[in-house]
Order: sequence, then structure tokens, then C-alpha cells
Amino acid sequence: AQSVDQPDAHVTLYEGASLELRCSYSYSAAPYLFWYVQYPGQSLQFLLKYITGDAVVKGTKGFEAEFRKSNSSFNLKKSPAHWSDSAKYFCALEGLIASSSFSKLVFGQGTSLSVVP
Amino acid sequence: DAAVTQKPRYLIKMKGQEAEMKCIPEKGHTAVFWYQQKQSKELKFLIYFQNQQPLDQIDMVKERFSAVCPSSSLCSLGIRTCEAEDSALYLCSSSPGLGYAEQFFGPGTRLTVL
Repeated sequence: AQSVDQPDAHVTLYEGASLELRCSYSYSAAPYLFWYVQYPGQSLQFLLKYITGDAVVKGTKGFEAEFRKSNSSFNLKKSPAHWSDSAKYFCALEGLIASSSFSKLVFGQGTSLSVVP
Repeated sequence: DAAVTQKPRYLIKMKGQEAEMKCIPEKGHTAVFWYQQKQSKELKFLIYFQNQQPLDQIDMVKERFSAVCPSSSLCSLGIRTCEAEDSALYLCSSSPGLGYAEQFFGPGTRLTVL
């Protein structure tokens, strides 16, 4: 079974610092990984995805993520962080639906990020 | 602005009433997903449609919800008898249906059951 774990429920840092949000996954096949952001009172927005190729993928809003097969991680990074980055961030894995050739996203629990001015 | 439309944005029901919410997926998208999110916490997958056919759903949906996509441009999620625990943000998303394509989310319908 596929799963995604975001071990940090909350992260707080000062504006200007570097941020790194952790995400680990469990999947027997080659993973397709995503990050989404949810600003307060809003829906989810796509940030970036890893399909194949370079381990570091760049996305919108200055974010990037590094895929590490060795420890099954896909951490989100940004430097420097800005107060407007305060939001909830979700890591997701595309996993196959049993007995079908279709797939769906499996989301982690989310990490709430607070960037203090 | 979200390309996926959801209506209504807010819905208030009494316990025991029926609720219905609608989703208009992005044009050309063949995959539609519904999620439940309580108090800005994790997303709970509810049901997935591919080309208007339900391919995957959790037991709760089978038992108490009704979900259909009568056309490629309209889907609906209903709750037959609302309970207090159903109070949540219901998010609809769509994608081209191809592998590793990102999902686009609507603004959600916030349901409050009194």
C-alpha cells in the first residue's frame, strides 16, 4: 500500500530563514510526487511535482523539492522564507488504484508553516 | 482563479436533512475527485470518477453519500442524511486523467450541520 508521511504538524521560523518541510513516502514502484499549498481560507494550489529525471525540481512561488530515493523522501525547500509563505503544505504521492490501471493522489497529513516577520 | 467551480460555497443543514453540492471540472478533464477536509486538517479521499464512472470510493460514501457525474461538465456529491460529523470543507478536483498529471482544486463547499 502507498502512504505519505509528513512528520511535522507545525513549523515556525523567522522571515529570511531557510525552510525545509519534510515528506517521506512508501511505495513499491517508481513514485510520482507532488506538493500542494493551502493558504488560510482557500483551496489547494499545485506547487511542483517530481516524475523522473533531476532529483531537484523547481516549482511556483520560488519553491523547490529534492527527491531522495535512498531514504524515500521528497522535502520542500525555499530560501529565504517570506511571511506570505505561511500556509498549510501537503505532500502527495500518485498511487495505483487496486485492480486498475488508474491512479489517484495519496496525501500526507499536511504541515502548517508559520513565518514570523 | 480556480478553473474548477464548486457550488454552493457555503451550505447549512440541520441534522437529518439532505445536502447536495456540485462541481464543474475544468474543461477537458476526465478525472474528478472529491475530498473531505475537517478544520483545515488532512484531506480525506471520498470518491474518484474517471470518464464519469466511479472507480474508487470509501465505505462511508457507499453507505451515506450519493455521488454522480451525469456529464463531463457536472458532478455532484450528496449526503442523504446529514450528521454533525459531516461538517467539513468538501473539495472537488479534476485532472486530465493521465498519469502523473496534477489535480486542480475548486474553492470547496463548506458544509455546516446544526
